[in-house]
Amino acid sequence: GENVEQHPSTLSVQEGDSAVIKCTYSDSASNYFPWYKQELGKGPQLIIDIRSNVGEKKDQRIAVTLNKTAKHFSLHITETQPEDSAVYFCAAVIYQAGTALIFGKGTTLSVSS
Amino acid sequence: GAGVSQSPSNKVTEKGKDVELRCDPISGHTALYWYRQRLGQGLEFLIYFQGNSAPDKSGLPSDRFSAERTGESVSTLTIQRTQQEDSAVYLCASSSLFGNTIYFGEGSWLTVV
Repeated sequence: GENVEQHPSTLSVQEGDSAVIKCTYSDSASNYFPWYKQELGKGPQLIIDIRSNVGEKKDQRIAVTLNKTAKHFSLHITETQPEDSAVYFCAAVIYQAGTALIFGKGTTLSVSS
Repeated sequence: GAGVSQSPSNKVTEKGKDVELRCDPISGHTALYWYRQRLGQGLEFLIYFQGNSAPDKSGLPSDRFSAERTGESVSTLTIQRTQQEDSAVYLCASSSLFGNTIYFGEGSWLTVV
């Protein structure tokens, strides 16, 4: 089955800096890669996703890149703000295969002002 | 409803007792997922329902755990003879089709004392 590794487990940055979180996956058939943000005491919320037919996707200050050959994908947050502080999870799945998302173990991002 | 609804939001139970956790998915969503999240940990897949297909139970950690879903509506996760290691947040999620955006509820925090 799919296995997703996520690094780093914790990340501390200064406000305005960029943050990068990296994930690798094991199943080359996986073709859908969402990223979730989880704030304390709340359920995870989707912030951006990418499908395997594109290499990069951007939405304002966040972007995701995908390298299918290396089987890794990354989340990039630019101009970080204190409200970006949260736990971020990557996930992978074979879209439309009737299987569940498999998540990485999460990255705790702390943005200090 | 507007989002995935879970109840109870918090449950404290004595070791050895049975507990039931309920999930109301977003109306019309055919896929429903249960995940477990221990304190400070990632999301551990438990079980996945898709329409009338047989559920994927591959993530259930022991035979004390079971889940049911009536059609494409409410799901109940049951934990029998609870143990202290069952203490965690149990997250439910739903989606409209295979691999489409998955929406999470706020979770049910279970504490076994």
